Amino acid sequence: DTAVSQTPKYLVTQMGNDKSIKCEQNLGHDTMYWYKQDSKKFLKIMFSYNNKELIINETVPNRFSPKSPDKAHLNLHINSLELGDSAVYFCASSQVGVNQPQHFGDGTRLSIL
Amino acid sequence: LAKTTQPISMDSYEGQEVNITCSHNNIATNDYITWYQQFPSQGPRFIIQGYKTKVTNEVASLFIPADRKSSTLSLPRVSLSDTAVYYCLVGEDDKIIFGKGTRLHILP
Repeated sequence: DTAVSQTPKYLVTQMGNDKSIKCEQNLGHDTMYWYKQDSKKFLKIMFSYNNKELIINETVPNRFSPKSPDKAHLNLHINSLELGDSAVYFCASSQVGVNQPQHFGDGTRLSIL
Repeated sequence: LAKTTQPISMDSYEGQEVNITCSHNNIATNDYITWYQQFPSQGPRFIIQGYKTKVTNEVASLFIPADRKSSTLSLPRVSLSDTAVYYCLVGEDDKIIFGKGTRLHILP
């Protein structure tokens, strides 16, 4: 059973398009996250949701809009894709609390042509 | 910026014990120290977490001195499959900040 699953695994698209990445966790966690890992492998948090409410919103362009229909899902919608958006995007979940271990999905590799 | 400092890379040989040290001079009283492992094309995976002294699980040990300004992840008898990036993290302003990690390369 996959604990944190992301779809799609790979996403290749052109500049200017709009795309979504879906994330689901079956661990019963209340907190979910989106991270971006760029070509230099630096992993940066983008958003954190706690029980469907936005908790952390780092300095991310407003072209990125997370949506949490329920606490088991946190989807990421990206408008007007740019070359600099090419990266691997990871979803994660945890129990509430900054010291709680996070469980990560295997990532979505986004390539902008 | 992450509150932690760790070596960029390390090499070791199969069967040896590997110790990766992380500095966190400004660790707060309520911060725990957490280590993650990341293989290529996978998300980070939680390895171990501690607050003080020593913690051991089936994968690794974590040594934390009394002042908590550093910690050492110890991997016993590594194998080729332990080649990965290892991240040391402490909590920061209600969120976790990943640094650049230590790229561990195990040689045969």
